[in-house]
This record gives sequence, C-alpha cells and structure tokens, in this order.
Amino acid sequence: QSVLTQPPSVSAAPGQKVTISCSGNSSNIGNNFVSWYQQLPGTAPKLLIYDNNKRASGIPDRFSGSKSGTSATLGITGLQTGDEADYHCGTWDSSLSAVVFGGGTKLIVL
Amino acid sequence: EVQLVESGGGLVKPGGSLRLSCAVSGFSFSTYGMNWVRQAPGKGLEWVSSISGSGIYIYYADSLKGRFIISRDNAKNSLYLQMNSLRAEDTAVYYCARDTVRVLDYWGQGSLVTVSS
Repeated sequence: QSVLTQPPSVSAAPGQKVTISCSGNSSNIGNNFVSWYQQLPGTAPKLLIYDNNKRASGIPDRFSGSKSGTSATLGITGLQTGDEADYHCGTWDSSLSAVVFGGGTKLIVL
Repeated sequence: EVQLVESGGGLVKPGGSLRLSCAVSGFSFSTYGMNWVRQAPGKGLEWVSSISGSGIYIYYADSLKGRFIISRDNAKNSLYLQMNSLRAEDTAVYYCARDTVRVLDYWGQGSLVTVSS
C-alpha cells in the first residue's frame, strides 16, 4: 500500500491530452515539493518534473506539473506512442522522515 | 556525464546477506545525498534509505530498519547497501539515485536481488 495514491492506469489516443493524479496528505504533498518520474518499459526511472512544476533538463514542454493542496497532477499533451510508460509521483513525508511514492500509473497510448 | 552503476545483486537464500554497491562518476560525489530505491516485480517504487553527502544523516524506511545498512565511501565515489536477514519479499530491482534536495535526479540502471531457496 503506497503512501501516495495514483490511478493504476490511464489511456488516451495519440495527439490527445492526459492527466495523472497523485493524492497525499498534509505531511507529504501538502507541505513538500512533488516530483514525477517516467519509467519506460524495462528501464530505470527518469526524472520528469521536480518542485511541483519544473521540467527536468531535456524534457519537452508537452509535460507539465501542478499542485493544489494535498494533490498533484502530471499533464501530458500531444501524446505520442513513445510516451507509453509508468509514471510515478514522489515527495518527502515530514512525519515519516521518508521519501514516499505513489503506486505508479501505466499510461496507454491507444 | 553523470553515471551511476549498481553491482552486487544476485540470488541469495532466505536469511542470507548481500552487499550492493553503486559506483558514481561525473559529479562531486561528496556534495550530494544518495538514495536506494527498490522495485519488486510488477510493483511500484519503494524508497529504502538515504544518506547525506557527509554520511552523517541517514534515514531508513521503517519496514527495513535493523536489517539494511546504508553507507558511502567518498574517497571511492561509492555508495553501499548491506542487506541482512533477507526475505522473499526483498526480491526486487534495487536502484541507487542521486539526491538534490529530495529530488532523485539521476538513477542507476538497477541491480536485481532475488531471495529464494
């Protein structure tokens, strides 16, 4: 059972937009920055978004992040088949003194 | 170029021990915190432990305290994870990751640990 809650999967057609939610509480998302990681099949996670909404180096502006209260959202526009991956949200939990992640969301580009 | 390369994974029997290593290059190792994160087959990411650049501050996931020990050798640009009393549920790919103010900005390719009799 992950501390942060993500939907198991989302899907959309190429060229469309999709959002992935990440829900937590005041000990984690509510008072700390959120990061998003992309994990292509069979590879290691890669930093996508940090500090809620900053894109990591080399990440196209099709990817965006936002945070409101105790929830965060990853948005991807102009979907491409190469975007099919697992997406993980993560943050620090001040009560647990631990890095916490969501369970991951599989993006399916139909 | 930042590189992190894990090694030391393999098959171990329940109750056994294993030591993972992470060799880094391309950045000033001693100025960055480091983390171990694991991923069981078909599951999400699970944070294991973190250590500050100096090695003074160390954190562990509550579920692992007492069995796993994180350490680093800044002279050798290396991070370690000593895993003891291993259980079947510790089977996972173990990643080392660089920490930039709680952002895991670079990850290794992972090392598979299988705990089975």
